[in-house]
Amino acid sequence: AQSVAQPEDQVNVAEGNPLTVKCTYSVSGNPYLFWYVQYPNRGLQFLLKYITGDNLVKGSYGFEAEFNKSQTSFHLKKPSALVSDSALYFCAVRDMKAAGNKLTFGGGTRVLVKP
Amino acid sequence: DAGVIQSPRHEVTEMGQEVTLRCKPISGHNSLFWYRQTMMRGLELLIYFNNNVPIDDSGMPEDRFSAKMPNASFSTLKIQPSEPRDSAVYFCASSPSLGQGNTEAFFGQGTRLTVV
Repeated sequence: AQSVAQPEDQVNVAEGNPLTVKCTYSVSGNPYLFWYVQYPNRGLQFLLKYITGDNLVKGSYGFEAEFNKSQTSFHLKKPSALVSDSALYFCAVRDMKAAGNKLTFGGGTRVLVKP
Repeated sequence: DAGVIQSPRHEVTEMGQEVTLRCKPISGHNSLFWYRQTMMRGLELLIYFNNNVPIDDSGMPEDRFSAKMPNASFSTLKIQPSEPRDSAVYFCASSPSLGQGNTEAFFGQGTRLTVV
């Protein structure tokens, strides 16, 4: 069975400081990995994905994520956080070999960027 | 494309009533997912379809919940009878199947269900 873990319920960071949101995953095959962001009273918005190739992927709004196969991690990063980055962030995985292409999400991490 | 369209956006119903949530996926997407989001349990996958066929419904909490996808452009999630603990935001998402290039799922705005 595939799974995703986001060990931190909440991350607090001062504006202008680096932001990291952690994610680890478990799949039987090779993973497709995703990050989504959710603002209050909205649906989930796609930020970035790792499919294959370069382990460092860049996405929307200055976010990037690094795929680490040996540590089965896909941490989300932003060099300089903005107050507007305050939101709920979800990591997700799809197993390339799983029948039916199931998409599994982590529990989410709330990010609070303080001015 | 207008994206994934869910209706209604808000639903308030009395306990015991039947509730039907609707979803129109993005045209050409083969996979459709229904999720439920609550403060206590986070984002839960209820059921997903591939090419209109249910693949995994192990996340459906009880027999009171049922989902259908009669064609590629429409899906419903029904709760009958509804209970207060069903109150949540229900999301529908669609994506191309793996191997078709773009692999990310696109979410609707959700239906906020309140059962009183």
